[in-house]
Amino acid sequence: AQSVTQLDSHVSVSEGTPVLLRCNYSSSYSPSLFWYVQHPNKGLQLLLKYTSAATLVKGINGFEAEFKKSETSFHLTKPSAHMSDAAEYFCVVSDGSRYKLIFGSGTRLLVRP
Amino acid sequence: SAVISQKPSRDICQRGTSLTIQCQVDSQVTMMFWYRQQPGQSLTLIATANQGSEATYESGFVIDKFPISRPNLTFSTLTVSNLSPEDSSIYLCSGGTSQETQYFGPGTRLLVL
Repeated sequence: AQSVTQLDSHVSVSEGTPVLLRCNYSSSYSPSLFWYVQHPNKGLQLLLKYTSAATLVKGINGFEAEFKKSETSFHLTKPSAHMSDAAEYFCVVSDGSRYKLIFGSGTRLLVRP
Repeated sequence: SAVISQKPSRDICQRGTSLTIQCQVDSQVTMMFWYRQQPGQSLTLIATANQGSEATYESGFVIDKFPISRPNLTFSTLTVSNLSPEDSSIYLCSGGTSQETQYFGPGTRLLVL
């Protein structure tokens, strides 16, 4: 069965410093992986997705993630945090047989001025 | 991408009543799904809405409590029946494409008193 583990429930960074949100996955086959962001009182927005093409995936708003099969990881990074990045981030794996999405527990990103 | 709208955006209901949430997609999607996000929690899939037939429910969710309709490719409804305070959550619908990407609506915030 597919699953994802987000290793940090909260991450706090200063504005202008790098962001790292960690995600490990478990899958019996080559998975499709996603990162979604949820701003307060807003819906979910797709940041980026990995579907077995390039292992380094670039998304919106300067975010990127690297698929590392040997480490079963799909960490989300951004070189320089902005105040507007403060939100909840979800790492997600797809159950390819039925397009079912399995969500991680989420990481709340706090950006300090 | 698909643009997904939901209504109502929020509601306050009395226990024992029901709430029907509507989801409209602006383009044809392969799949439609309904999720629940309990306060401070991640998203949990309730069911897959199937066009013209009964929805496919996940473990722990039943049709009597969460009846779902999908009369055409771009519209679905979720009813939360016999409401109790434990049903207070955000309910989100999503539309999935053939590339496994899902786009989410803004959610419906339900408070049950």
